[in-house]
Amino acid sequence: KAGVTQTPRYLIKTRGQQVTLSCSPISGHRSVSWYQQTPGQGLQFLFEYFSETQRNKGNFPGRFSGRQFSNSRSEMNVSTLELGDSALYLCASSSEGRGVNIQYFGAGTRLSVL
Amino acid sequence: GESVGLHLPTLSVQEGDNSIINCAYSNSASDYFIWYKQESGKGPQFIIDIRSNMDKRQGQRVTVLLNKTVKHLSLQIAATQPGDSAVYFCAENRNAGNMLTFGGGTRLMVKP
Repeated sequence: KAGVTQTPRYLIKTRGQQVTLSCSPISGHRSVSWYQQTPGQGLQFLFEYFSETQRNKGNFPGRFSGRQFSNSRSEMNVSTLELGDSALYLCASSSEGRGVNIQYFGAGTRLSVL
Repeated sequence: GESVGLHLPTLSVQEGDNSIINCAYSNSASDYFIWYKQESGKGPQFIIDIRSNMDKRQGQRVTVLLNKTVKHLSLQIAATQPGDSAVYFCAENRNAGNMLTFGGGTRLMVKP
């Protein structure tokens, strides 16, 4: 089975621009979560999607948004980029929508904001 | 505030020795704990998990211990190998969804 696939692997943007990151979950997985990883703040939860609906949301500003498609693929968008948005963005998928399930992570998208 | 934290940022061990990585959590309502390993350039890789109704769980060369009295979690790696060198994160799940709260991470360095 293929793992979680994130594209692109690397991105360079400038302040004020917007960016869209993509995540393809493991086949059959319906829950997709997004995390931001920085040296200063560590791994922080952004949001989780299940059946095309946002189910959980972390403490990030509204500039961070996401969506999930009917095939469970997910995208996250960051608008009006700031220097502090430079980070590794990780996507994780899990098999069930309810209860606690193992989350499997992709390799991430490294975003650099100049 | 409530958080999952790690006692040591870096742990250096000799190849073949056992490693112990510790983690403290503050939310007694957390009911599920996970250890992840992250190598350079890769995403976190699941190692082992444990539910709050258990004290100990064993995997291949790894054991997780949960002490709910002092809110402490540990990961033991037996016969540590160079391939175990990575950053290890503990994480907790506090609700019925898939939102994980991660600790700060411990870097494990294995000396040959």
